Order: sequence, then structure tokens, then C-alpha cells
Amino acid sequence: QVQLAQSGDGVKEPGDSVKLSCKASGYTFTRYDIHWVRQVTGQGLEWMGWMNPNSGETGYGKKFQGRVAMTRSTSISTAFLDLTSLTSGDTAVYYCARGGRGETGALDIWGQGTVVSVSS
Amino acid sequence: EVVLTQSPATLSLSPGERATLSCRASLSVSGRLAWYQHKPGQAPRLLIYDASRRATDIPDRFSGSGAGTDYTLTISSLEPEDFAVYSCQQRSNWPPTWTFGQGTKVEIK
Repeated sequence: QVQLAQSGDGVKEPGDSVKLSCKASGYTFTRYDIHWVRQVTGQGLEWMGWMNPNSGETGYGKKFQGRVAMTRSTSISTAFLDLTSLTSGDTAVYYCARGGRGETGALDIWGQGTVVSVSS
Repeated sequence: EVVLTQSPATLSLSPGERATLSCRASLSVSGRLAWYQHKPGQAPRLLIYDASRRATDIPDRFSGSGAGTDYTLTISSLEPEDFAVYSCQQRSNWPPTWTFGQGTKVEIK
């Protein structure tokens, strides 16, 4: 069964950093891009960036450049999201998703989501 | 950067009715458009990619159409489980960037 299982710390204070994990199973991890998408309560989905697990190449949304890093460990088929300098505006549900479907590069498999809450 | 604008923001319909959702891009996305269904507490689900191709296991009551800057998701006859938020998404080639629309909520009338 193809799936992405997410884990990571949920409660942070302003200025903190958070590291989220996304473990792939049921397919070859290095064959598909991994994307990170978040949803702030009451708002739409927001694309944060992507990573090629084979090469490690990354691309980040302009809003997040400078405080986001996407990495991976191919030995454990896991992608990681690091987000620094957290503010209350980063309180959201964070999803990892597998990309690459068709010319759109659509996201066909999603993790269950991790809630990150930033509060003092 | 391509901006996706979805309309309407909310669509109030009854089960069995037809739903027509719109997604307009600020620049042509050349068919590189997908649609997702999103329910509270669940991960989004891919419905349509490349404007009109149904994803795996998606019922044929869901269809996508469009080209250039204007795209439509049609649900031919709403089932109770179809009441949800629907978002469109596009991919720009260079630099590789993905963008979502703000979503359309399909609610029970």
C-alpha cells in the first residue's frame, strides 16, 4: 500500500524551529518528488516547496525562501521539512505529498497531516 | 507568478444536482491543472490532473475541462460524500512552482 506517514513536534513558541518527517512506503522513494503543503485554518492550501529525493534538488515558494529547508534520508525513505523563525502565522496543518502525476506534476498521495501550533 | 482564482467561493446545492466549479489562471497554464477534494480532518484527494484526466479510483461523475486560462470541474450528480472543499492547482515550468487556488466550498442546500 502506497502511503506517506508524517510525524513531528506539534507545539512551538515564536522564534522556534520545527522539523517534520514524512516516511514513504509501498513505492520507490527516489522515483517521485516530495512536496510540502500547508493549510492555515480558514484559508486555502499553500504550496511550500518540493524536493527530488533522488538528487536532493529542492525548490521553495518565495514566501518561505530563507527559512525553509527540505532534506531526505534515502536509507529510511523519509523526507524532512525544517521551518525556522516560527510565528503565529505558521500555525497550520502541514502535509507532505508525492508529486509527479502527469504534466501537472499533481500530488497523488498525501500524508495524514501534522498540526503545528505556534503560541507563546 | 501565476495566480489561480476560483469561483464561486461557496456553492449551495442539493444531492443529485450538477456542480460546476471554475478556476481561472492569471496566465495560461497550458493544461497543467489539477483538482483536489478536501474534507475537514482528512488529507486532500487528487481528483483530476492535466485538466481532464481522472486520477485513480475517481468516479466518472467527476470531470474536468478547459484550456489556456479557464478550467472547470464538473460533478454531474452530487452524492452526499461530495460535499467538501475543492481546490485547483497549477504547475509553472520555470522556476518549477506549484500554486493552489483559494478553494470552492460545495455545501448542502
